[in-house]
This record gives sequence, structure tokens and C-alpha cells, in this order.
Amino acid sequence: QVQLVESGGGVVQPGRSLRLSCAASGLTFSSYGMHWVRQAPGKGLEWMAGIWYDGSNKYYVDSVKGRFTISRDNSKNTLYLQMNSLRAEDTAVYYCARDLSAYGDDAFDIWGQGTMVTVSS
Amino acid sequence: QSALTQPRSVSGSPGQSVTISCTATSSAVGRSNSVSWYHQHPGKAPKLMIYDVGKRPSGVPDRFSGSKSANTASLTISGLQAEDEADYYCCSYAGSSYFFGTGTKVTVL
Repeated sequence: QVQLVESGGGVVQPGRSLRLSCAASGLTFSSYGMHWVRQAPGKGLEWMAGIWYDGSNKYYVDSVKGRFTISRDNSKNTLYLQMNSLRAEDTAVYYCARDLSAYGDDAFDIWGQGTMVTVSS
Repeated sequence: QSALTQPRSVSGSPGQSVTISCTATSSAVGRSNSVSWYHQHPGKAPKLMIYDVGKRPSGVPDRFSGSKSANTASLTISGLQAEDEADYYCCSYAGSSYFFGTGTKVTVL
């Protein structure tokens, strides 16, 4: 069964850090680009970050550059998102998604169920 | 301001056709052929419906079709069914970034 399962969400104070994980199963994880996409409560989808199949290239939306880091461990079939200096506006459901392309430049064909991150004092 | 503008809502009766537009506000995004469409039911993860402007993933009914003309991409749902009621988002890849549309709520009357 092909699936992506996110974990690591929760409630965190502003300025603190959190690391999200996305475990892949039933698919050839190391052959595809991967992404993080978030959705604030009652809002639309927002792409956050992407990474090539081998981890050699990473790219981010401007609003998280320097604060968030995407990475992957192909030996563990796992994608990560390290989030530092969190702000209230980072509150959202965070989804990991697989790209159709190895270079993360096409579309998101498999999605996880999402993990909620709440930034609040 | 989003790089991709969609109508807030569209509606139709069962069996009818509806079309959702997705207009790019920047030329870079408008030139992209990596345009995809997703639908999302409340509380669920998005699902890919169309990619590369007009291609359908395996398992997506042929009632769903996509096209693009100049700066505007479109998703057409033919033979509208109750389960098509959802939020729909377009998405475009350009300049090492992805841009999602503002989202359209499709209501089946």
C-alpha cells in the first residue's frame, strides 16, 4: 500500500523549533522529488519547500527561507522539515507530497494525511 | 496577492458541466506547462486530478479535463456528480517555485 505518513506536529511557542517527519512506504522513495505543502485553518494550499530525489537540490518559498530546512534520508524512506523561529502565521496543517518527477518540477501525486502545527504562547 | 486567481465558487446541477478558470498574474507562471489541479474534500488531503495541463492520473474519471490558453488554465468537470462537490485548486511550477491558486468551491445543486 502506497502511503506517506507525517508526524511531529503539535503545539509550540513562538520562536521555538519543531521537526516534522514523513515516512514513505509502498513506493520507491529515492526516485522522486518530495515536497512540504501547508494549509492554514480555513485557508488555501501553500507550497513550502521541495527537494530533489537525491537531496542535492532544495528550494523554498520566500517566507520560510532561512527558517525552514527540508531534508531526506533515502535509507530510511523519510522526509523531514526542520522549522525554526516559528511564528503564529506558521500555524497550519503540514502535508508531505511526492512529485511525479525526480527533480520536483511537476505535480504532487501522492499526499500524506497531514500533521497539525499550532504556534501559540 | 496570489500568482493564480480562481473564482471563489462555481455550481451546477448533477449531469451538467462546470469549468473553473485559473488565471496567472505573472508571465513566468503563465508560460508554465506544469499546471496541475487538485480537489480537496473537507478535512482530507488534496488529490491530484490533472497534471501537465491536460493529463489525467490513473484512476481519475475522464469526466475531468484540463486545458490552457495564454495565461489561463481551465478545469472542466463534465457530467457533474454529488461526490465532485469539493474545493479545487490549480497549481503551477515556475522558477523553482510552486504557486497554488486561490481555490474554488464547487457546489452540486
